[in-house]
Amino acid sequence: EPEVTQTPSHQVTQMGQEVILRCVPISNHLYFYWYRQILGQKVEFLVSFYNNEISEKSEIFDDQFSVERPDGSNFTLKIRSTKLEDSAMYFCASSRDSGPYEQYFGPGTRLTVT
Amino acid sequence: SQQGEEDPQALSIQEGENATMNCSYKTSINNLQWYRQNSGRGLVHLILIRSNEREKHSGRLRVTLDTSKKSSSLLITASRAADTASYFCATPATTSGTYKYIFGTGTRLKVLA
Repeated sequence: EPEVTQTPSHQVTQMGQEVILRCVPISNHLYFYWYRQILGQKVEFLVSFYNNEISEKSEIFDDQFSVERPDGSNFTLKIRSTKLEDSAMYFCASSRDSGPYEQYFGPGTRLTVT
Repeated sequence: SQQGEEDPQALSIQEGENATMNCSYKTSINNLQWYRQNSGRGLVHLILIRSNEREKHSGRLRVTLDTSKKSSSLLITASRAADTASYFCATPATTSGTYKYIFGTGTRLKVLA
């Protein structure tokens, strides 16, 4: 069964450094998402992406964040200058279409900012 | 804003028993999704139920949706130790035209062998 994959599984970085989190969505899916979950808190929406542009973003997704689909398979989340409060589990998700279609999540990347 | 809140926050049952978790939300929705998360792991999609559906089944899972009460329930029948996880409902942020889902705080289910 097709799955969303994410790399790395765990990333440790120093405050102020740039990080890129990578995702490979399910191959026939057209909509892509990033969510994050700070330890012990709710899963929070960051951004959705369709047709090579951002379709929706939350207030969390400020200028420090960017997303890109550099080729036909990868979908990346970049954090330009990491802060301690960016430490969280970051989940990539994809769906076949918009509207009421299931969003399938990857296993997550645990980002630790020291 | 849309917000799914699960109830109870924690549930502990014996293997073989049924587990029922509830989700309440605030405004109209066109669908609701349930997810499972094992400790420290990713989210596994369980069921999507649309607003014109009252009930949906998948294996040992049964989801109901009552749009008049703005609530949904997830029933796991004949629970197993492997069902131990947190369960979340997720609702779209608006009735239409959104890709953003809002997750509740979850129900932590513990199934004792």
